[in-house]
Order: sequence, then C-alpha cells, then structure tokens
Amino acid sequence: EPEVTQTPSHQVTQMGQEVILRCVPISNHLYFYWYRQILGQKVEFLVSFYNNEISEKSEIFDDQFSVERPDGSNFTLKIRSTKLEDSAMYFCASSLGSFSYEQYFGPGTRLTVT
Amino acid sequence: AQTVTQSQPEMSVQEAETVTLSCTYDTSESDYYLFWYKQPPSRQMILVIRQEAYKQQNATENRFSVNFQKAAKSFSLKISDSQLGDAAMYFCAYRSARGDSGNQFYFGTGTSLTVIP
Repeated sequence: EPEVTQTPSHQVTQMGQEVILRCVPISNHLYFYWYRQILGQKVEFLVSFYNNEISEKSEIFDDQFSVERPDGSNFTLKIRSTKLEDSAMYFCASSLGSFSYEQYFGPGTRLTVT
Repeated sequence: AQTVTQSQPEMSVQEAETVTLSCTYDTSESDYYLFWYKQPPSRQMILVIRQEAYKQQNATENRFSVNFQKAAKSFSLKISDSQLGDAAMYFCAYRSARGDSGNQFYFGTGTSLTVIP
C-alpha cells in the first residue's frame, strides 16, 4: 500500500540555522499538508498546498516558514532561522482531492533545536 | 474556530475487553467529518474510522465502532476485543465539509491506550 515518507526521521540543529524537512507524498495525490506536534500538545495544522501554491495556512506559519514542491515527487518544509520553540514532530500528509475524506500521514520528522 | 477535546490522556484495558475513548468537539458548522487516527509507537498515523456528520448511523470497522451524538457534539470510539496491537496513541480529528474552508484537520491532544496482557 502506498505510504507517505519523510526524511530525516530526526534532525538536530542549532538555533538560527535553516532546516529543510522532506516529504514524498503518495504519487497520485494532489493536496499536501504540514502539521506539527510539540511534545505533549496536540497536532497543529501549519499549511496546505495545491497546484503549486499555498491554499491555506495557520497563524503558526509565519515568514520563517516556506513550502515547496521542487519536483514531481518531493514536498518540502523550510524553516529559515530555527528557534528553540520550533522543536517538535513535523508531519507531512497528502490527500487525493479537496473533498477526499482522508489525509494520509507520514511517520514524522522529529526536529530538535538546541 | 473548531476545537477538539479528548479528556482522557491515558487509558488502559485488559486484552479481550472493551474500552471507550471519549472525544468532544465544538463547531458552528452542520456538515463535517470526524475521524479517529491511531499512532502506534512506529509513529505513522493510521486512519481507524471516519464518520460523516450527515449520517445518523454510527460507523463501524470490524472491532472499532463509534458513538456519534451530533447534538451533544460527542464522538467516542469503542474498541471491542482489545488486542495487544491496539496499544497506541489515539487522536480524534475534525474536518469541515465546506469547500471554501480548506482541508485542515483539527486534532485533539490524544489518548494513550495501554493494553494489558
């Protein structure tokens, strides 16, 4: 069964550094998402992406965040200048269409900012 | 904004017994979808069951069933004949059915389920 994959599984970075989290959505899916989960808190929506542009973003998704689909398979989340509070699990998800019920989630990337 | 509340941070159940996980939500919308996702220790979130708000009948998937009370805004998950493989974090999630509201999910804080052999 097709799966969403994410790399790396764990990323450690120093405050102020740029990080890029990578995701490979399911191949025929058209909608892509990033969520994050700070330890002990709920999973929070960051951004959705369709047709090579952001379709929706949350208040969390400020100017230090950006997303890109650089080729036909990858979907990336970039954090330009990481802060300690960016430490979290970041989940990528994809769905077939806007009215599809289900979003398929990847295993997550644990980002630790020191 | 929609909110989803899971009031049980941890639950435990004996193997082969039944357990119910609670979820309540707040919304002003009349049409939406509700989901239970399972996140085992391997971390991949997997869809367990979904419910369309316009359907009165409670969804069922094998040993998993829901008790959907729309007026009370309650969406509990019942796991029957619990198995060791059911041990995981369970997230309740809400998604609007409005086409202009985006597709984002609103998640609860999760319930960690332990299955006791």
